[in-house]
Amino acid sequence: SAVISQKPSRDICQRGTSLTIQCQVDSQVTMMFWYRQQPGQSLTLIATANQGSEATYESGFVIDKFPISRPNLTFSTLTVSNMSPEDSSIYLCSVERQGPGYTFGSGTRLTVV
Amino acid sequence: QQPVQSPQAVILREGEDAVINCSSSKALYSVHWYRQKHGEAPVFLMILLKGGEQKGHEKISASFNEKKQQSSLYLTASQLSYSGTYFCGTGQSGSARQLTFGSGTQLTVLP
Repeated sequence: SAVISQKPSRDICQRGTSLTIQCQVDSQVTMMFWYRQQPGQSLTLIATANQGSEATYESGFVIDKFPISRPNLTFSTLTVSNMSPEDSSIYLCSVERQGPGYTFGSGTRLTVV
Repeated sequence: QQPVQSPQAVILREGEDAVINCSSSKALYSVHWYRQKHGEAPVFLMILLKGGEQKGHEKISASFNEKKQQSSLYLTASQLSYSGTYFCGTGQSGSARQLTFGSGTQLTVLP
């Protein structure tokens, strides 16, 4: 199944700044998914990123706050913009496995101070 | 709307059995099950598609009742390695590739 390299693994950022998270997949995939997971909580889908088109955002998430790029079939970035302490969370990317189910990146633990 | 999982937490001794339930208010096309250990990414366990099938993975199996929009995960003769948080992820017809994850069930297996 696909292997995902996600960077950075963690970061501490000042409020008002932005952080870009990268996910590199070792095979070509049609869709990439971005999730947020607050500590001890479930995973919430932020958006779905298709190569060559704009990302599709879920209710409660907007492009200005979470811009996504998908320049090719193996790479995507998620930017968390104008951060506040409420953005402190774990962010994960995910892709479909070559079999059933999904594979997740190792996550980016973001703390906003 | 997020699927509801029960119980929220369960503590077992090695060798005991457990059942985790996942219930949705919406018609489902698929149900996924994942296990997440502390500080790690969720790991895929199995998928069930509508049709009321039951699948197995070593001593972990699951069922899917399409009419009731419910799925259950069965862990038999639990091992220490089964400890973690279990999430169901549901997919609906028309958007089956976008999963909505349940609230999670924290499973602790003690020696």
